[in-house]
Amino acid sequence: GAGVSQSPRYKVAKRGQDVALRCDPISGHVSLFWYQQALGQGPEFLTYFQNEAQLDKSGLPSDRFFAERPEGSVSTLKIQRTQQEDSAVYLCASSPEKPGHNTEAFFGQGTRLTVV
Amino acid sequence: AQTVTQSQPEMSVQEAETVTLSCTYDTSESDYYLFWYKQPPSRQMILVIRQEAYKQQNATENRFSVNFQKAAKSFSLKISDSQLGDAAMYFCAYLERNYGGSQGNLIFGKGTKLSVKP
Repeated sequence: GAGVSQSPRYKVAKRGQDVALRCDPISGHVSLFWYQQALGQGPEFLTYFQNEAQLDKSGLPSDRFFAERPEGSVSTLKIQRTQQEDSAVYLCASSPEKPGHNTEAFFGQGTRLTVV
Repeated sequence: AQTVTQSQPEMSVQEAETVTLSCTYDTSESDYYLFWYKQPPSRQMILVIRQEAYKQQNATENRFSVNFQKAAKSFSLKISDSQLGDAAMYFCAYLERNYGGSQGNLIFGKGTKLSVKP
């Protein structure tokens, strides 16, 4: 596609439910990032993939959060046993190059997760 | 750790006038990138302008320009001839220039909500 696509755009989950958020990056992009944006805050880094390798997961808030990108393209962010504090917008971004190589990160429109 | 601070939660400007959004950051690195992103209600982050720290010349992109003061660690955004479509959240972001390492995540400020009055 022309841009980064995320689905679903909105997700309501009952507390304790597992959710899976999908990111389709721009075709051929090497780098893929997940960010969490709480209401009224700036995005915060969760994890980074270079192709299929997850090189940095230092931002994942707990072991309930898991991300994968098995074929180096589509990525899924999974949250197990959702809690109310997980309510946020989850943004995905992709970039054609490795980090720090003077390239732009292209963002999707995010998935707004509400845990009730 | 690097931090980015935006001290203006909200700003307002009259259409066709100029507004400046403030951003300061803290880092011990000498080589890095700074960005301004725009986030409309659609939630998609859109790159407005980028500055490389080793370049002394301030970046300019049409009606958008920055005032980059490296010693003061300040990076403000000036929007000239403001338009109704400029209304959005604006985020300042920092990226460490890293060669071959895994760190490459953007560090964002908390944002400034810009309103444009007709």
